[in-house]
Order: sequence, then C-alpha cells, then structure tokens
Amino acid sequence: NAGVTQTPKFQVLKTGQSMTLQCAQDMNHEYMSWYRQDPGMGLRLIHYSVGAGITDQGEVPNGYNVSRSTTEDFPLRLLSAAPSQTSVYFCASIPQGAGNTIYFGEGSWLTVV
Amino acid sequence: GQQLNQSPQSMFIQEGEDVSMNCTSSSIFNTWLWYKQDPGEGPVLLIALYKAGELTSNGRLTAQFGITRKDSFLNISASIPSDVGIYFCAGRGRVGVQGAQKLVFGQGTRLTINP
Repeated sequence: NAGVTQTPKFQVLKTGQSMTLQCAQDMNHEYMSWYRQDPGMGLRLIHYSVGAGITDQGEVPNGYNVSRSTTEDFPLRLLSAAPSQTSVYFCASIPQGAGNTIYFGEGSWLTVV
Repeated sequence: GQQLNQSPQSMFIQEGEDVSMNCTSSSIFNTWLWYKQDPGEGPVLLIALYKAGELTSNGRLTAQFGITRKDSFLNISASIPSDVGIYFCAGRGRVGVQGAQKLVFGQGTRLTINP
C-alpha cells in the first residue's frame, strides 16, 4: 500500500460525534476515492474525486462529506456519526490513463456506539 | 447507480481443486479488474482486462472480459492454501459529462480451502 497514507487506523465514536478520516497520496494521482466495506457487501463507493476542486457522489454518499483542496489530500468527514456507519473505510487513488493499479490505504476501522 | 453482482458469495473447496467465480452488471464497463484481499489489508490487483473478449492469465489465474462488456469471470486452477481470501471483481467506466473514470466493486467471493 505504498503511497497512500490513511489515518486513523482505529476509532471509536459516540453517536452524534463528528470526525474526519484523513487520506493523502504522494503519487500525483488525480483520481481518489473512499470506500466502505461491510461483511457480505464488498467495497461500496462513498465519494470520489477526479482532481483538485472536483468531487462527486458514489453509491452510498449519505452521511459523509468530502473535499479536495489539493491533489494530495482527500479527507472524509462524518458530521454526525451513526451506528450504521460502523465499518471499515478504505481510501484509494488511481493514476489517470491506462494504468489500473489501484493504490489502497491500509484501512480505518470505525465503530460508532 | 452501477452495481455488480458477483457469485458465488462463498466457496469451500479442497486443496487442488479448480475455482470459478463471475461478475455481471447491468451497465457496460470499459475495463474489468479482479482483486484479492487478505484479512486486515486492502485489495491487491490480480488481473486487468481492457477489451471485450479478452482472455488473460496470471500464473494459475485466468480471467475473461465478456463480449457484451457486462460480465467477467475468474478461474483459479489447482488451488493452494495461500489462495484463501476474498476475491472482488471491479468495473471501471466513464461516468458524467466530464467522462470521469469510476471504479465499482462486486460484493466479493470468500474462498476457503480445506487442506
């Protein structure tokens, strides 16, 4: 998972709290995305960005906000955490063009109680 | 939105057996990808397919890009214990006015191997 740094690795939140998952990549990739992984559900796309200043919704965007002020950083914000947001979160970046090696962060295990 | 249906959801096999799994979609993709995920880690790319009908191998793994561009399969021959894990298909396609590339994953196939 070289090149994509994701923090924190573990976090416990109380319902209603807010927090930000950080993601940074140093490979100058334009495309970055956030996924959540739940048992039996695979990886579901939350939000994605095709470049600085451009973001769009994925399959399950509700309850999450993102921003892309720089090419390197793509934080995911939970404004008011809910138990349904208990999941494993992966940040990913992909180089533009033909290369399809997707670079994942190490994952963030989030529990909302 | 775009969704991928991956089957089977789980497989329990004996070491040495062959494995087959597939993905179907209601949407057309211009690239199909297959990933493997080990516990506690992110997915790792196994095979990438770029055009309809393409058949590609990577060691004991073989994958094909369906002619309709709406499906793909992955075969693993002569399974070994280190093949245990979760396998995901993923489709990559252009969406939106700007033609942004989006990657969507299947639900995963959990492979368990009995020695």
